[in-house]
Amino acid sequence: GQQLNQSPQSMFIQEGEDVSMNCTSSSIFNTWLWYKQDPGEGPVLLIALYKAGELTSNGRLTAQFGITRKDSFLNISASIPSDVGIYFCTGTASKLTFGTGTRLQVTL
Amino acid sequence: DTAVSQTPKYLVTQMGNDKSIKCEQNLGHDTMYWYKQDSKKFLKIMFSYNNKELIINETVPNRFSPKSPDKAHLNLHINSLELGDSAVYFCASSQDSLALYEQYFGPGTRLTVT
Repeated sequence: GQQLNQSPQSMFIQEGEDVSMNCTSSSIFNTWLWYKQDPGEGPVLLIALYKAGELTSNGRLTAQFGITRKDSFLNISASIPSDVGIYFCTGTASKLTFGTGTRLQVTL
Repeated sequence: DTAVSQTPKYLVTQMGNDKSIKCEQNLGHDTMYWYKQDSKKFLKIMFSYNNKELIINETVPNRFSPKSPDKAHLNLHINSLELGDSAVYFCASSQDSLALYEQYFGPGTRLTVT
């Protein structure tokens, strides 16, 4: 079946630093999405990407749909404490598959 | 206004019991889903309903039975609970089955089986 691997699995960064995480797939996806899950809450959609090579921003977040359609990355600039949470990449081909997640912790 | 709501938020029960989790969405969406998130935070889809009809049924024990009385509700009934069923269960919805990527999630139900 489809697998999505995210890296890093977890990261500790200081407030103000930029963050980069990526997601790779064993198969091609038609859509890439990034969700964030706050502690004790359900995932919330951050960015959706629909075309290979597409680069999309949402505030301090920037995500790209890889040219090969098998990967995507998410950058967060100037991190703040409320960026803490788990970031999931998801891809869709015939169904939605979630990545393994990147746990982000921000220290002051 | 709450978009996708689940009850209860927490559920603690003993092995062998039968329990239900309820989900309601007020977004007017046609499609609803149930996910299971394990202790490692891995999210896996279990079921999906579109307009009260089952469209996705992953490899889930038949002790789990979803029920959709109308398109705004998707409940999950679990028979003969086992320790391995302990997890957080999320309900989600999307406008239709083609928009399955733009899903709105509920707050989750943490099920603990003792």
